[in-house]
Amino acid sequence: EPEVTQTPSHQVTQMGQEVILRCVPISNHLYFYWYRQILGQKVEFLVSFYNNEISEKSEIFDDQFSVERPDGSNFTLKIRSTKLEDSAMYFCASSEEGGGYTWVGYNEQFFGPGTRLTVL
Amino acid sequence: SQQGEEDPQALSIQEGENATMNCSYKTSINNLQWYRQNSGRGLVHLILIRSNEREKHSGRLRVTLDTSKKSSSLLITASRAADTASYFCASQGGSEKLVFGKGTKLTVNP
Repeated sequence: EPEVTQTPSHQVTQMGQEVILRCVPISNHLYFYWYRQILGQKVEFLVSFYNNEISEKSEIFDDQFSVERPDGSNFTLKIRSTKLEDSAMYFCASSEEGGGYTWVGYNEQFFGPGTRLTVL
Repeated sequence: SQQGEEDPQALSIQEGENATMNCSYKTSINNLQWYRQNSGRGLVHLILIRSNEREKHSGRLRVTLDTSKKSSSLLITASRAADTASYFCASQGGSEKLVFGKGTKLTVNP
């Protein structure tokens, strides 16, 4: 069964360093997402991406964050200058369709196993 | 904003019993999805129920949706020790993002 994959599984970095988290969405999916989960807290939406551009982003997704689909298979999240509070589990997800329909939309989002980011 | 909130926060049952988890949300939705997360691991999609559906089944899972009360429930029948995990509801309205609740931590004792 197709699945979303993420690398690395665990990334340790020093505060102020740049990190790139990588994801390979399910191959026929068109919509891609990043979420994060700080330890013990809710899963939070960061950004959605469709047709090579950001379609929606949250307040968390500030100028320190960027996303890219550098080729036909990878989807990356870059944090330019990491802060201690960026420590979290970062999940990539993908779906066949988006959710912003006026009719009853169908948007099953499939998540990857996550990358645990630790900022020291 | 939409916000899924599950209750109870923690549930401990014996193997073979049924487990019921509830979720509430605040605004209108297109669909509501339930996920499972084993400790420190990824999110596994369990089931999606659309706003025009009232009940849905998948194996031992039964999900209900009451849009008038803005609530949903997940029932796991004949639970097994392997069902031990955290369960989250996530609501989706007129945009792509899912809004997750805090989750219910289910422990199934052998």
